[in-house]
Amino acid sequence: GDSVTQMEGPVTLSEEAFLTINCTYTATGYPSLFWYVQYPGEGLQLLLKATKADDKGSNKGFEATYRKETTSFHLEKGSVQVSDSAVYFCALNQAGTALIFGKGTTLSVSS
Amino acid sequence: DGGITQSPKYLFRKEGQNVTLSCEQNLNHDAMYWYRQDPGQGLRLIYYSQIVNDFQKGDIAEGYSVSREKKESFPLTVTSAQKNPTAFYLCASSLLGGATNEKLFFGSGTQLSVL
Repeated sequence: GDSVTQMEGPVTLSEEAFLTINCTYTATGYPSLFWYVQYPGEGLQLLLKATKADDKGSNKGFEATYRKETTSFHLEKGSVQVSDSAVYFCALNQAGTALIFGKGTTLSVSS
Repeated sequence: DGGITQSPKYLFRKEGQNVTLSCEQNLNHDAMYWYRQDPGQGLRLIYYSQIVNDFQKGDIAEGYSVSREKKESFPLTVTSAQKNPTAFYLCASSLLGGATNEKLFFGSGTQLSVL
């Protein structure tokens, strides 16, 4: 079945460092891909999405490009802030089904 | 403000007891979902509903039950058959539930613990 694999965390960075969180997927068809973020004690919020190959999703300085040839959707940010500390989830969605999530990657940014 | 409301925020279950988690949305969304979150395991789908009076099992439906009698409500019952219920439970909704590019809106979750 369809699945999402994320890099294991936690990821610990200093403020202004470059961030990459790897995400690869397995799916039949042409899924849409998402990154959601969860701040402590809260539900998830959509960070960005891409609906077809070569699309780039972006929001709040975060970017991810839908790479069909490598089945990847890696999350990047050029300069992280302390306020970016959260758990990040990669997810995919096929038509007629519910969202499938990866296991999440915890990011901790220190000043 | 439109959104999803989950209650209670914290819930404790005694051995052999059924408990019900509430989820209400005023977004006029057709589809609603229940996910279970455990540390290091991400989110796993319990049940989802794309229309009133209809719902489908997710990956880990055993020991849980749901109902969808009203569009805005999707309560989850954790039965005594669920032997390891301690987890963070998240409810979500989406506008239609059938499209691939739909955004999910999440509630703030309920932490269930066993006494």
